[in-house]
Amino acid sequence: TQLLEQSPQFLSIQEGENLTVYCNSSSVFSSLQWYRQEPGEGPVLLVTVVTGGEVKKLKRLTFQFGDARKDSSLHITAAQPGDTGLYLCAGAAGTSYGKLTFGQGTILTVHP
Amino acid sequence: EAGVVQSPRYKIIEKKQPVAFWCNPISGHNTLYWYRQNLGQGPELLIRYENEEAVDDSQLPKDRFSAERLKGVDSTLKIQPAELGDSAVYLCASSSPWGDNEKLFFGSGTQLSVL
Repeated sequence: TQLLEQSPQFLSIQEGENLTVYCNSSSVFSSLQWYRQEPGEGPVLLVTVVTGGEVKKLKRLTFQFGDARKDSSLHITAAQPGDTGLYLCAGAAGTSYGKLTFGQGTILTVHP
Repeated sequence: EAGVVQSPRYKIIEKKQPVAFWCNPISGHNTLYWYRQNLGQGPELLIRYENEEAVDDSQLPKDRFSAERLKGVDSTLKIQPAELGDSAVYLCASSSPWGDNEKLFFGSGTQLSVL
């Protein structure tokens, strides 16, 4: 069974601070996705990283896939209250995204 | 474009009662997924459909859970009888097979409370 461990589990910061969320596994994934989920809603895809060492930027969010495709990180610069939510990483084995394995999530709270 | 629609949004039942959830995927999406998300956890796949065929139901507790996707569009997930440990959010998702297969679109989920 492939497992993804996210850290930290909870993160409470002030507006304007930077933060990094980590997603680690002992397994290799063909790709890794990051989702953001707000209370009462389903997860929404933020990004998919496929190549080892790949870095993708989405405004103030920077996503990195580890060289060995076993880990990933999400860095948020100058966090805003609107960034508050549950951040989930999910790894895909092979080419089937139907086999996504989700991490347990990081609950981020950004205080004004 | 309408997203994945799930109903009901909330359901409160007593243990041993049956319950059913309904999902309408995005039009044209052949693949449909049911996930269960416990509080403070990530979603866990219960079953995946390709059109009307269940291609992965290895994590579906078949003694009490059942699902169907008649005509390869809408889907229902049923629990009978419900147990206290079934309290969770049940998420439906769909994806398109044409070049964007990597993207899952989730519904808002059904929050089930078993008392």
